[in-house]
Amino acid sequence: QLQLQESGPGLVKPSETLSLTCTVSGGSISSSSYYWGWIRQPPGKGLEWIGSIYFSGSTYYNPSLKSRVTISVDTSKNQFSLKLTSVTAADTAMYYCARQGIAADDWGQGTLVTVSS
Amino acid sequence: SSELTQDPAVSVALGQTVRITCQGDSLRSYYASWYQQKPGQAPVLVIYAKNNRPSGIPDRFSGSTSGNTASLTITGAQAEDEADYYCNSRDSSGNHVVFGGGTKLTVL
Repeated sequence: QLQLQESGPGLVKPSETLSLTCTVSGGSISSSSYYWGWIRQPPGKGLEWIGSIYFSGSTYYNPSLKSRVTISVDTSKNQFSLKLTSVTAADTAMYYCARQGIAADDWGQGTLVTVSS
Repeated sequence: SSELTQDPAVSVALGQTVRITCQGDSLRSYYASWYQQKPGQAPVLVIYAKNNRPSGIPDRFSGSTSGNTASLTITGAQAEDEADYYCNSRDSSGNHVVFGGGTKLTVL
């Protein structure tokens, strides 16, 4: 069974870069059928798509975050990663990674990232 | 702001049928998917590609689309269906994913 696990610092200072990694197990990130995405959810608010990547490296980003986001993939480690630069308190959220086919059918448990000095 | 619009809250009596809707122009071109999220948990896919249920999702959950509106119907709502429900699809360009603002379902 496919499992996704987010990892990274839970606390980031304002203006710094948020970095998270999603490790995929029980399946290959190089599957041609799926994209791999990041979604976030501020406390008490709704879901926001951040961006997605294909195993070849093709990326799609939320236009509202595009200038600050980079998503990359490491097929040798079966991982994909998120970098979000110049963070502010508004970036405080639960960050989820997910497998995206026709829909996001498998999600990680999420990791809470707080932006605070 | 989201390109998909959902009612913030809906309630249903136990055992009754409830419809949760999602409106957006992109739904004329792209199917909606629906996710259930309970407090403290990650979202779970319940409907995809208009009206397909992943393995393990009860058949009381169904989906439909008419024009620019997608609907999630729960026939015979159970107490465990109380949750937040999110629709998602593509935006009008087709290149980006969008989520609706979510609907909080209360089972009375």
